Amino acid sequence: KQEVTQIPAALSVPEGENLVLNCSFTDSAIYNLQWFRQDPGKGLTSLLLIQSSQREQTSGRLNASLDKSSGRSTLYIAASQPGDSATYLCAVNPGNTGKLIFGQGTTLQVKP
Amino acid sequence: DGGITQSPKYLFRKEGQNVTLSCEQNLNHDAMYWYRQDPGQGLRLIYYSQIVNDFQKGDIAEGYSVSREKKESFPLTVTSAQKNPTAFYLCASGGPGMGYNEQFFGPGTRLTVL
Repeated sequence: KQEVTQIPAALSVPEGENLVLNCSFTDSAIYNLQWFRQDPGKGLTSLLLIQSSQREQTSGRLNASLDKSSGRSTLYIAASQPGDSATYLCAVNPGNTGKLIFGQGTTLQVKP
Repeated sequence: DGGITQSPKYLFRKEGQNVTLSCEQNLNHDAMYWYRQDPGQGLRLIYYSQIVNDFQKGDIAEGYSVSREKKESFPLTVTSAQKNPTAFYLCASGGPGMGYNEQFFGPGTRLTVL
């Protein structure tokens, strides 16, 4: 059974710092992996999608990597800003049905 | 303005009452999903549909029902059989194809039992 784990559960950093969020999964047979952002009381916003054949994806200050063989993905946020404060979720797509399997999330606080 | 809409934003249910949560998408996606989010438990799949007039149970389907009569719409009914329905409900859609690609989420409905 696929399990997804995110470490750390919470993170607090000063503004301007570069940071890495971690996501690990137990079964390497995935179609893609998706990173989301969730603000309090809101829905999920898709940040990056990495297909199983890709190693990384970039969008602005965000860079996500994928290492299927080791069951790991990282989300790198450069030059963090207070507006980046939110919960970040990773989700694995096994592909046969498109059902996403989520990690518990990392809650990020960027202090001015 | 493409996207996924959910209504209502807040919903209150009395004991023994059935309530229906609306989910509509204009992204022309084939697949649609309902998730439940509880504090400290992450998102869990309730039901999903990969094509019109077909849907499948997810991990926590008991006490819920759905229909998929139109490609754009996937309403979720929370029945009186659901013993602990207070939660944040999120609808998603994925495509093109049968949900193998990027998924997008609606703004959510917060359901509270009175």
